[in-house]
Amino acid sequence: NAGVTQTPKFQVLKTGQSMTLQCAQDMNHEYMSWYRQDPGMGLRLIHYSVGAGITDQGEVPNGYNVSRSTTEDFPLRLLSAAPSQTSVYFCASSLGRMNTEAFFGQGTRLTVV
Amino acid sequence: GQSLEQPSEVTAVEGAIVQINCTYQTSGFYGLSWYQQHDGGAPTFLSYNALDGLEETGRFSSFLSRSDSYGYLLLQELQMKDSASYFCAGRVEDSNYQLIWGAGTKLIIKP
Repeated sequence: NAGVTQTPKFQVLKTGQSMTLQCAQDMNHEYMSWYRQDPGMGLRLIHYSVGAGITDQGEVPNGYNVSRSTTEDFPLRLLSAAPSQTSVYFCASSLGRMNTEAFFGQGTRLTVV
Repeated sequence: GQSLEQPSEVTAVEGAIVQINCTYQTSGFYGLSWYQQHDGGAPTFLSYNALDGLEETGRFSSFLSRSDSYGYLLLQELQMKDSASYFCAGRVEDSNYQLIWGAGTKLIIKP
C-alpha cells in the first residue's frame, strides 16, 4: 500500500528557478490538496482539486500552479522560486471534499536560497 | 476571521493523562478533526467529531462542544511515543469546506 507518494523529499533551489513537486496516490481518491507548513504554524492550503480536470485556489496560492489530468496525480509547480517559499510541502488526499480523514505524503522540504 | 487556537506546548509525565484544548472562532463550522505529527513526519489522522460529545479510540478521546466553540483531545496512559505535535482542524463553510488548521500543540512527555 503506497498511499500518497511525494517526490522529492528534499530540494534546494536558487531564487528564480522553477520546479515541480510530484504527488501521486493509489487509493482512487477524488480530493487532493497541497499544503505548506512553516515553523509554529498550522498547515495552510495552497491549491486543491475535487477531481480530474478541476482545481481551485486555497489560502496561499500565489506563486504556485497545479493541474489534475488524472485521478492519481496532482503536481505542484513553483513558477519562480522565492526565499519566502522555503517551507515543508505536504500533499494530501481523501475520498471526497467532505471526508474527515486525509492521508498525507511524507513531505518535501524545500529551501530557496 | 476564521481561526483555531491551541496551546503551543504541553508537558506531561509518562503514564499520566493530558488534555489538549482547541477553541475556534468561526461560523458555519462542520466538525473538528485531530491529527498527530511526529518531528520530521507527516500528519496522521486521529479522530473526528461531527457532533457534540465524546469520541473514544483506544487511549485517545476527542470532545466537541459547538455551543462553547471548544474541543479537546484527551490522551490517556501516556507513552514516550506520544511525544509529537497535535493539530486540530475544522471544516468551515465560508472557506468552501476546506480544512482550517490550528498552529499545533507540541506535547513533551517526561519519564
